[in-house]
Amino acid sequence: GAVVSQHPSWVICKSGTSVKIECRSLDFQATTMFWYRQFPKQSLMLMATSNEGSKATYEQGVEKDKFLINHASLTLSTLTVTSAHPEDSSFYICSASPGQIGNQPQHFGDGTRLSIL
Amino acid sequence: GESVGLHLPTLSVQEGDNSIINCAYSNSASDYFIWYKQESGKGPQFIIDIRSNMDKRQGQRVTVLLNKTVKHLSLQIAATQPGDSAVYFCAENFVGGGADGLTFGKGTHLIIQP
Repeated sequence: GAVVSQHPSWVICKSGTSVKIECRSLDFQATTMFWYRQFPKQSLMLMATSNEGSKATYEQGVEKDKFLINHASLTLSTLTVTSAHPEDSSFYICSASPGQIGNQPQHFGDGTRLSIL
Repeated sequence: GESVGLHLPTLSVQEGDNSIINCAYSNSASDYFIWYKQESGKGPQFIIDIRSNMDKRQGQRVTVLLNKTVKHLSLQIAATQPGDSAVYFCAENFVGGGADGLTFGKGTHLIIQP
């Protein structure tokens, strides 16, 4: 149980393109999901907290107009990288927890590798 | 801000031996800790967790130790296998602070030598 799925797994696109990444909880509902970014050979850095039915909470230094988050249902959060540029190339990973945060671990999707040419 | 760090970026262990991966955390308010395993090109996979009211927890071939006095966390893997080769991250959370995301350590690359 507690499966989190991301789509697509890999995106290559031209600079200036907007890219949407989906994160789904397949066998549980999640009022809260999290988006992380990971550069090569580095750790995961929290970007934002996605809240179902309300605005996302962004970490310091993350541009909310650049990284649009929509959490329209209890099983789906989307991250849209708007007008992507080469410096946005990274591995984007989402997570969710089937229970109350802290009572059960967060489960991660397999990530989306974004390459901007 | 405060962060979680690791002492060793790379650890090489002979197959069958035990391995210990260490992690130092700096946020004394953190009350929930998790170890994740990440294979190349994949998302982190949950291994084991521990809450601050415990100092040891065991799973299958893995043991997590928590020393709150020195803010240190370790992951012990017994009888390592080739499939244990991966990057291991510790992560912390302050549950009492609300639905916050995890703070990850820098990661340790565990290499299992045949």
